[in-house]
Amino acid sequence: AQTVTQSQPEMSVQEAETVTLSCTYDTSESDYYLFWYKQPPSRQMILVIRQEAYKQQNATENRFSVNFQKAAKSFSLKISDSQLGDAAMYFCAYRTPRVGGGATNKLIFGTGTLLAVQP
Amino acid sequence: DAGITQSPRHKVTETGTPVTLRCHQTENHRYMYWYRQDPGHGLRLIHYSYGVKDTDKGEVSDGYSVSRSKTEDFLLTLESATSSQTSVYFCAISEMTGASYEQYFGPGTRLTVT
Repeated sequence: AQTVTQSQPEMSVQEAETVTLSCTYDTSESDYYLFWYKQPPSRQMILVIRQEAYKQQNATENRFSVNFQKAAKSFSLKISDSQLGDAAMYFCAYRTPRVGGGATNKLIFGTGTLLAVQP
Repeated sequence: DAGITQSPRHKVTETGTPVTLRCHQTENHRYMYWYRQDPGHGLRLIHYSYGVKDTDKGEVSDGYSVSRSKTEDFLLTLESATSSQTSVYFCAISEMTGASYEQYFGPGTRLTVT
């Protein structure tokens, strides 16, 4: 069974600085997707970034980028130029690529990292 | 905005009472999901649906049932609520984006069982 581990329950960063959130996963599959979701105090789950396992290039979305190390099964999120609005719980998630009926499209989440941004 | 609403947004109920949570979507997505969120566990899948009347269990399905009689609505029922079912419940849909199905979430329902 696939598992996702986030070993940093809480982190803190100064405004305008860079922070990296860690995520590791375990799978025997070679093709899958990885995601980072942000959950601010409003409780809404917001998709931040995704990475396809077959792509070697790391995904980037504005100030958010990932460091995807497939052999090490590591998927860290880097937030550059941190802003007060980045303060939130961040979840790493894993999904297999199969579509159709049955056990497909399910997300497996880590336990989350609570990020505080200091002014 | 994936057009997902959940009702109610907050509910307090007593142990042993039945509870139904509703997820409504406006964009005809085939796949819908119910998750629960608890401290120290992240989000865990309860049940999911891959079409009208097509549903299956997730990893924490005990004590829950679901129904999907039309595309836009996915109902989660706690037949006899227990205090261990106090949680925040999220509905999600899968939407095709490029070559990937990505999940988008509703605003959540906070359920307290006393």
